[in-house]
Amino acid sequence: EPEVTQTPSHQVTQMGQEVILRCVPISNHLYFYWYRQILGQKVEFLVSFYNNEISEKSEIFDDQFSVERPDGSNFTLKIRSTKLEDSAMYFCASSGTSGRRDEQFFGPGTRLTVL
Amino acid sequence: AQSVTQPDIHITVSEGASLELRCNYSYGATPYLFWYVQSPGQGLQLLLKYFSGDTLVQGIKGFEAEFKRSQSSFNLRKPSVHWSDAAEYFCAVAPGQAGTALIFGKGTTLSVSS
Repeated sequence: EPEVTQTPSHQVTQMGQEVILRCVPISNHLYFYWYRQILGQKVEFLVSFYNNEISEKSEIFDDQFSVERPDGSNFTLKIRSTKLEDSAMYFCASSGTSGRRDEQFFGPGTRLTVL
Repeated sequence: AQSVTQPDIHITVSEGASLELRCNYSYGATPYLFWYVQSPGQGLQLLLKYFSGDTLVQGIKGFEAEFKRSQSSFNLRKPSVHWSDAAEYFCAVAPGQAGTALIFGKGTTLSVSS
């Protein structure tokens, strides 16, 4: 069964450094998403991406963040100049069909720890 | 603004007992509703979803949920809980078309006692 994959599973970085979180969505899906979950809190939407551009973003997704689909399979989240409060689990998700609501399939997440 | 409320932060149920996890949503139109489960250190797995039609939906692992428009609720149920059901459960609503954000509740942690 196709699944969303994410690498790395755990990333440790120093405050102020840049990190790139990687995701491989399900191959025929059209929509891609990033969510984050700070420890003990709810899952929060960051951004959605369709047709090589951002389709929706939350207030959390400020200039510190960027997303890219550098090739036909990967979807990345870049966090510039990381802060302590960026420590969280980051989930990538993808969904399939344009024009109708569809379930989002989530990857296993990348745990980001900022020291 | 759309929102999802899960009133119970933590529930403990005896193994073999029935379970009901509550979820209420706030949304102007008929939403699309989901229940996800997250085991410790794991990602989010979809249990079931409601898009339209029959208001009682069946999911994986023996779970079901009932959409009640009059109560703005989408409660998750299971007739007999197994120890492996211990996890965190999230209700979510999708207010828009494809590509829009899922809005999650804060989650309910389920503990199963023997």
